[in-house]
Amino acid sequence: QKEVEQNSGPLSVPEGAIASLNCTYSDRGSQSFFWYRQYSGKSPELIMFIYSNGDKEDGRFTAQLNKASQYVSLLIRDSQPSDSATYLCAVTSGSARQLTFGSGTQLTVLP
Amino acid sequence: DGGITQSPKYLFRKEGQNVTLSCEQNLNHDAMYWYRQDPGQGLRLIYYSQIVNDFQKGDIAEGYSVSREKKESFPLTVTSAQKNPTAFYLCASRIQENEKLFFGSGTQLSVL
Repeated sequence: QKEVEQNSGPLSVPEGAIASLNCTYSDRGSQSFFWYRQYSGKSPELIMFIYSNGDKEDGRFTAQLNKASQYVSLLIRDSQPSDSATYLCAVTSGSARQLTFGSGTQLTVLP
Repeated sequence: DGGITQSPKYLFRKEGQNVTLSCEQNLNHDAMYWYRQDPGQGLRLIYYSQIVNDFQKGDIAEGYSVSREKKESFPLTVTSAQKNPTAFYLCASRIQENEKLFFGSGTQLSVL
């Protein structure tokens, strides 16, 4: 059973701080890694994806991947109250490249 | 505008009743997926289809059925055999060779 683990939170950070969200996965053959943001009652929205070891930056978001440690993280700089949401980590693996989702981390940014 | 349309937004099922959730996409995506989300949980795969007239079971297919008669459409039927159907149902699609998944707005199914 392929597993993707996230701390469920809730994680609270003050406005302007860096929020750090973590995810580990069990399938060493996993190929692609995604972060989705989901507001309450809404569908997930893709915010970052990463395929190779290292860092990938897009605006205030940075995704970090370490395949040796089977670990992927998302950093949100200058956190805003509008970043308050649940963040889902997702990993593809297998020949069909199916996505397996973690249970999500609830982030609250305090004004 | 291109996108994925799910309907209805809210659906209520009586005991013993089958209900069908609609999913239509005009993105010309080959692959379509149905996920179930329970409160505070991640997404679990129910069924997926990579090509018209073909579909495969996901991790929690029992009590559900699908069809893929057209590339644009992938309806999900929640049968009476699904004893705990209350959940948020999400339809998604992607281009076969591109792994980014795009979601519809979801259907909240509740039991009366």
